[in-house]
Amino acid sequence: EPEVTQTPSHQVTQMGQEVILRCVPISNHLYFYWYRQILGQKVEFLVSFYNNEISEKSEIFDDQFSVERPDGSNFTLKIRSTKLEDSAMYFCASRTESGNTIYFGEGSWLTVV
Amino acid sequence: AQSVTQPDIHITVSEGASLELRCNYSYGATPYLFWYVQSPGQGLQLLLKYFSGDTLVQGIKGFEAEFKRSQSSFNLRKPSVHWSDAAEYFCAGGRGGGGNKLTFGTGTQLKVEL
Repeated sequence: EPEVTQTPSHQVTQMGQEVILRCVPISNHLYFYWYRQILGQKVEFLVSFYNNEISEKSEIFDDQFSVERPDGSNFTLKIRSTKLEDSAMYFCASRTESGNTIYFGEGSWLTVV
Repeated sequence: AQSVTQPDIHITVSEGASLELRCNYSYGATPYLFWYVQSPGQGLQLLLKYFSGDTLVQGIKGFEAEFKRSQSSFNLRKPSVHWSDAAEYFCAGGRGGGGNKLTFGTGTQLKVEL
């Protein structure tokens, strides 16, 4: 069964460093998402992406964050200058253009020290 | 504002017992509703979904959920719990179309006693 894949599974970075989290959405999907889950808290929406542009973003998704689809298969989340409070599990997700079911990846656990 | 509420933070059941996890939603119109399960250190696996039609939906692993408009609820049930069901369960809602972002509940941690 096709699935959303994410790399790395776990990354430790120093505060102030740039981080790029990578995702390969399901191949025929056209909507892409990033969500995050701070330890012990609920899963929160960050951003949705469609047709090579952001379709919606939350207030969490400030200027420190950016997303990109650099080629036909990858979808990335960049955090420009990480803060301690960016430590969280980041989930990539995708869905088809007409469907309403969103499929999640296994997550990338980011630890900022 | 749209919201999804899971009133129970922790639930403990004995293996073989029945299970019901509660979920309430607050949306202007009937949302699309989902239940996801997250095992420790794992991602979010879709258990089942409700879009429209039959209000009792079947999912994977023997789970089912019932949409009740009058109660704004979408409770998850399983007639007989297995030890491997111990995990965190998230209810989520979306409006469909467009970006269709999901709003998640805070999750219910299920512990299964042998």
